[in-house]
Amino acid sequence: SYELTQPPSVSVSPGQTASITCSGDKLGDRYACWYQQKPGQSPVLVIYQDNKRPSGIPERFSGSNSGNTATLTISGTQAMDEADYYCQAWDNSTVVFGGGTKLTVL
Amino acid sequence: QITLKESGPTLVKPTQTLTLTCTFSGFSLSTGGVGVGWIRQPPGKALEWLALIYWNDDKRYSPSLKSRLTITKDTSKNQVVLTMTNMDPVDTATYYCAHSRGCSSTSCRLGLDYWGQGTLVTVSS
Repeated sequence: SYELTQPPSVSVSPGQTASITCSGDKLGDRYACWYQQKPGQSPVLVIYQDNKRPSGIPERFSGSNSGNTATLTISGTQAMDEADYYCQAWDNSTVVFGGGTKLTVL
Repeated sequence: QITLKESGPTLVKPTQTLTLTCTFSGFSLSTGGVGVGWIRQPPGKALEWLALIYWNDDKRYSPSLKSRLTITKDTSKNQVVLTMTNMDPVDTATYYCAHSRGCSSTSCRLGLDYWGQGTLVTVSS
């Protein structure tokens, strides 16, 4: 079965750039999505089709996807961005989630 | 405005069958390209996709859980129902339903853009 691998944790200082990676075999040949989940809340879609932002998502969130790696980049990271982030792709008509990355802003 | 809400039992016994209902508003599941999926999350763990049903009644299931899952829709009631058989304590999780659009037969390229609040299901005797 297809697997997406994320680092368990990433730390960033306020105002700096955070990068969260998601690795999978030929992931660049598929569309990747990213979700943000804060404690006790439902996930929120922050990036779809590799690099598109839904309405209401701040411009500091961006995405890329090439080769075997998709990357979520948060520029000028704010304290409110501290959350778990999940990548997601499709494989053989089924949904696959990564294991999640806890972003700490300190 | 699109909203989804999950409902069902909060406690089930091992070996029982779980039935969850997703009641939604703001869209129709008879509109081309629309899908509704189910995702679960055990306490402190990652998201796990379970199933998805499309506007055309096509269905997709997690390969690892396919034998235990059934997803159906009632377009007139704006509901999607998920049943999971032979429940086990490891199935204890928050269960979410979510909306997607831009769906084809192989994927929903626009992601899962609206999620319900989730419902916690505990499996215990």
